[in-house]
Amino acid sequence: EVQLVETGGGLVQPGRSLKLSCVASGFTFSSYWMYWIRQAPGKGLEWVSSINTDGGSTYYPDSVKGRFTISRDNAENTVYLQMNSLRSEDTATYYCAKGGSYVWYFDFWGPGTMVTVSS
Amino acid sequence: DTVLTQSPALAVSPGERVTISCRASESVSTLMHWYQQKPGQQPTLLIYLASNLESGVPARFSGSGSGTDFTLTIDPVEADDTATYYCQQSWNDPWTFGGGTKLELK
Repeated sequence: EVQLVETGGGLVQPGRSLKLSCVASGFTFSSYWMYWIRQAPGKGLEWVSSINTDGGSTYYPDSVKGRFTISRDNAENTVYLQMNSLRSEDTATYYCAKGGSYVWYFDFWGPGTMVTVSS
Repeated sequence: DTVLTQSPALAVSPGERVTISCRASESVSTLMHWYQQKPGQQPTLLIYLASNLESGVPARFSGSGSGTDFTLTIDPVEADDTATYYCQQSWNDPWTFGGGTKLELK
């Protein structure tokens, strides 16, 4: 059974940093792209970052580029999201997701972890 | 960015057929995917690559379209289908989602 469990969310002041983790199980982690997607309270979904199977390629939208860094540890079946220079507009539930066999979609999502950026 | 436009809400009766549309501001080929999100839960994948049914998803769900116009069909609708449905494209960078269509059962 595929499982994804995100941790690391919480309340953080604007300008500070936070690192999210997502532990995976139930599949061959090193064979799949992994993603982070976020959802602001009461709002829609926004893709945040992608990482390929060996961690050598990463992708971001302009809204987080230069502030967020995705990484992975295939030995620990874990993907991370380092978030720096946080802003109030980064407040959201952050979901970790597994890529599908054809990469370009999210075929399993974790339950999410809430990040609140506020002073 | 590629904007995906969905109708905000629909209300249907159980047993009926419902179509949820998603229009892209530019072509996304067939790299369109559909997700269901029930209140308080994470999204789940329903359809990938426009028309492929994800394993374990009931055959009541189907998808169609290419280019800029896509449709998710549920036939027949059941009470458990109450949820918000999102389309997502992965042809153009950045990947984007539609605003979601909230499906309510009468």
